[in-house]
Amino acid sequence: GQSLEQPSEVTAVEGAIVQINCTYQTSGFYGLSWYQQHDGGAPTFLSYNALDGLEETGRFSSFLSRSDSYGYLLLQELQMKDSASYFCAVRGGSMDSNYQLIWGAGTKLIIKP
Amino acid sequence: DADVTQTPRNRITKTGKRIMLECSQTKGHDRMYWYRQDPGLGLRLIYYSFDVKDINKGEISDGYSVSRQAQAKFSLSLESAIPNQTALYFCATSDSGGIGNEQFFGPGTRLTVL
Repeated sequence: GQSLEQPSEVTAVEGAIVQINCTYQTSGFYGLSWYQQHDGGAPTFLSYNALDGLEETGRFSSFLSRSDSYGYLLLQELQMKDSASYFCAVRGGSMDSNYQLIWGAGTKLIIKP
Repeated sequence: DADVTQTPRNRITKTGKRIMLECSQTKGHDRMYWYRQDPGLGLRLIYYSFDVKDINKGEISDGYSVSRQAQAKFSLSLESAIPNQTALYFCATSDSGGIGNEQFFGPGTRLTVL
């Protein structure tokens, strides 16, 4: 089967750094994406890694290790507005499945002042 | 105006009723998707369409059908709603360039089946 594992909840302090991990087991791998979803809102795209290494976009960075089937999202200088759920999603499968996204269950990030 | 819109935003219905959820987009994207979100389960793909003449089943298509009326419109139907179809439904779009392309989501439709 295909699965993605991420912690259900992470708590951090405003101004700190937090890392949200994602491990995956999929048939085929073509990239790892991260999405943010605020309560009552729609998911919004944060990052995409197709190759090993770190991608940085402002306060957010995303890392991928294909050999370990592992990635993480790193959020720095946490702000209260970063309180949200974060989803990892793997583009896996095959040409037959049109390389569709497989989603993790999400990590709820709670930020305390 | 929002790039991806969904109607209705909220709907309460009864078991056995036929329900249609509609999605429109102004992004000019070829690809459109319907997802379902349940608490603690993330997003699951119901159906997707890569162009007007292309419809594909996703992970959980049973009990659902779709229609791609135009490039900009993709509707999801529940022919005979049942309580376990109570969920948050999202429509999404993406362009056809590259495997890693971003998906853009509508605001969601919260459906309750009594």
